[in-house]
Amino acid sequence: AQSVTQLGSHVSVSEGALVLLRCNYSSSVPPYLFWYVQYPNQGLQLLLKYTTGATLVKGINGFEAEFKKSETSFHLTKPSAHMSDAAEYFCAVSDDAGGTSYGKLTFGQGTILTVHP
Amino acid sequence: DSGVTQTPKHLITATGQRVTLRCSPRSGDLSVYWYQQSLDQGLQFLIQYYNGEERAKGNILERFSAQQFPDLHSELNLSSLELGDSALYFCASGRRGHEQFFGPGTRLTVL
Repeated sequence: AQSVTQLGSHVSVSEGALVLLRCNYSSSVPPYLFWYVQYPNQGLQLLLKYTTGATLVKGINGFEAEFKKSETSFHLTKPSAHMSDAAEYFCAVSDDAGGTSYGKLTFGQGTILTVHP
Repeated sequence: DSGVTQTPKHLITATGQRVTLRCSPRSGDLSVYWYQQSLDQGLQFLIQYYNGEERAKGNILERFSAQQFPDLHSELNLSSLELGDSALYFCASGRRGHEQFFGPGTRLTVL
C-alpha cells in the first residue's frame, strides 16, 4: 500500500519569501510522485511530476521539487512567493500498475498556502 | 483547461435519490479515474476504467457504480444517497507517463 504525508495543513509566508511544502511518501515500488494545486472552486492542476531520471524536477509557475529516495521525500519549493500562489497543494504518489494501465493516485491531506503582502 | 469535461457542475438532491455524473476524458486518453473530495476524507480514489474495462477499485461504496462507454466517456452512478455523500467528485484521465488531468468536478449536495 502507498501513503503520502504532508507536514503542515497550513503554511503562511510573506510575498517574496521562500515557499517550502513538505511531502513524505511510502511506497513498496519505485514511486511516481506528483504535486497538484487546487485554486478555490476549481479542479486540480498538475504542477510537476517525478517519474524517472533527474531527481530535481521543475514545474510551472516557478515551482520545483526534489525526489530524495533515502528520505522518502518530495518537498515542493519556490524561491519567491507571489500572491497568486495562494491555493491548496496536494502531493500524490502513483500506484504503478505498469504496462498500458495507469495507477491510481494516493493523495496527501493537502497544504493550504497563504501569502501575505 | 485540462481537456477533461464533467457535467453537471452542481447537483442538489435529496436523501435516497439517485444521480449520474458524467465525464469526458481528454482526446486520446483511454483511462478514466473517479475521485471523491470531502472535508473529512480528503481526496480519495474511487474507481478506474481503462478502455471500457474496470481496472482498479478504491473505497467505493456498493451504492456507487461506474461504467465507461465505447466513446470513452464515463458515468458515475450514486444511489440511495445519504447526507455524507455530499462532496466534490472529480474525474481524471491519463495516458502513458502516469500523470492524470483533472476535470473541474461536480459538487454534489445531498439535503
